Amino acid sequence: DQQVKQNSPSLSVQEGRISILNCDYTNSMFDYFLWYKKYPAEGPTFLISISSIKDKNEDGRFTVFLNKSAKHLSLHIVPSQPGDSAVYFCAGTDSWGKFQFGAGTQVVVTP
Amino acid sequence: DGGITQSPKYLFRKEGQNVTLSCEQNLNHDAMYWYRQDPGQGLRLIYYSQIVNDFQKGDIAEGYSVSREKKESFPLTVTSAQKNPTAFYLCASTSGVYSNQPQHFGDGTRLSIL
Repeated sequence: DQQVKQNSPSLSVQEGRISILNCDYTNSMFDYFLWYKKYPAEGPTFLISISSIKDKNEDGRFTVFLNKSAKHLSLHIVPSQPGDSAVYFCAGTDSWGKFQFGAGTQVVVTP
Repeated sequence: DGGITQSPKYLFRKEGQNVTLSCEQNLNHDAMYWYRQDPGQGLRLIYYSQIVNDFQKGDIAEGYSVSREKKESFPLTVTSAQKNPTAFYLCASTSGVYSNQPQHFGDGTRLSIL
């Protein structure tokens, strides 16, 4: 039972434009959500997180939006840069020690 | 620099053989985790440990075993009972189970069958 879903396996965006990555979850007990970035043959690195008491969190070029009623979160990257080309995972946790990850979205930033 | 060290980076297993993947952290984190990543799939939780000498099964624990004798170490053994062990294995840690803190990850071990 996949509790976190990223329905777009890939996304291609032009350099300088906005990248929007989407994530849906089913577990209403999740109270903390995270986005990670991963390069091949490396471990994921933490990008940005959001608590369920907020609907937006911003950190530089990265903004995460949370819509609890729709059980949906999104990551906006503005402007997209070539170094942003990677796989992005969203994750949720209910603070009982287990994190659930989506399958990832491969982002390719083109010149 | 604090971080998580996984070794080896590449590992090969013969049929019927047990192999152990190492994970060490110097972040003074209480909770540690093992995940498996297969192509096109997300990270699936194998085992996790919230404190020393205690651990819980994750979603795909069959064919794996762990120990947590020291706070900084959480080795994973892939036993011969795991019939499809070829995957990328990731170890992670976080400061506390209830802290709502992000996980820190190692760089992974790629396990293949000979």
